[in-house]
Amino acid sequence: DVKVTQSSRYLVKRTGEKVFLECVQDMDHENMFWYRQDPGLGLRLIYFSYDVKMKEKGDIPEGYSVSREKKERFSLILESASTNQTSMYLCASSGRRSGIREKLFFGSGTQLSVL
Amino acid sequence: GNSVTQMEGPVTLSEEAFLTINCTYTATGYPSLFWYVQYPGEGLQLLLKATKADDKGSNKGFEATYRKETTSFHLEKGSVQVSDSAVYFCALKLSSGGSNYKLTFGKGTLLTVNP
Repeated sequence: DVKVTQSSRYLVKRTGEKVFLECVQDMDHENMFWYRQDPGLGLRLIYFSYDVKMKEKGDIPEGYSVSREKKERFSLILESASTNQTSMYLCASSGRRSGIREKLFFGSGTQLSVL
Repeated sequence: GNSVTQMEGPVTLSEEAFLTINCTYTATGYPSLFWYVQYPGEGLQLLLKATKADDKGSNKGFEATYRKETTSFHLEKGSVQVSDSAVYFCALKLSSGGSNYKLTFGKGTLLTVNP
């Protein structure tokens, strides 16, 4: 069974802390994505990566950075967490070939609370 | 810019009722259109898709037809079940250019089906 695994289901951090959210996929997918999901706002793309060490900003990259050192792992970093980053974070992956790249496989999400 | 507008939820139906969730889009170019579903406690998963005008996507009794003239992709099911209770997201992806990795999602519509 194909899988996208996010390291934590729930996370509580303090304002100003550096936060790492980890995501691993076992499908040998080239593309990986980080979204945040907020009530009334739906899903918004933070960053995506189409290859190892490659990254591109999404719609709301401010306050975030990412790292992709290995193909299967994509990390989201909050350099200095703030309360407005309290949210559900969803990681996703997809293949590169036309016809399959739009089928995203999502993890179950990490609910981050910043106090 | 590109955007997706879904009907506001929540939608509450009785089992075996007919379901329609409206979705309209704005896009430059010719997008592919998708419905994703998020069951409680899980990540999103692809429900169906359509890649060109007049295509009909279908899966698990759900259907949606790509209507270019009305820029719509409404989701329908003839007889809903309690197990269909979930959040439904309409999404689009441009078929070419630098954004062809990226899906733009609507805000989601919560469906609750009562026995």
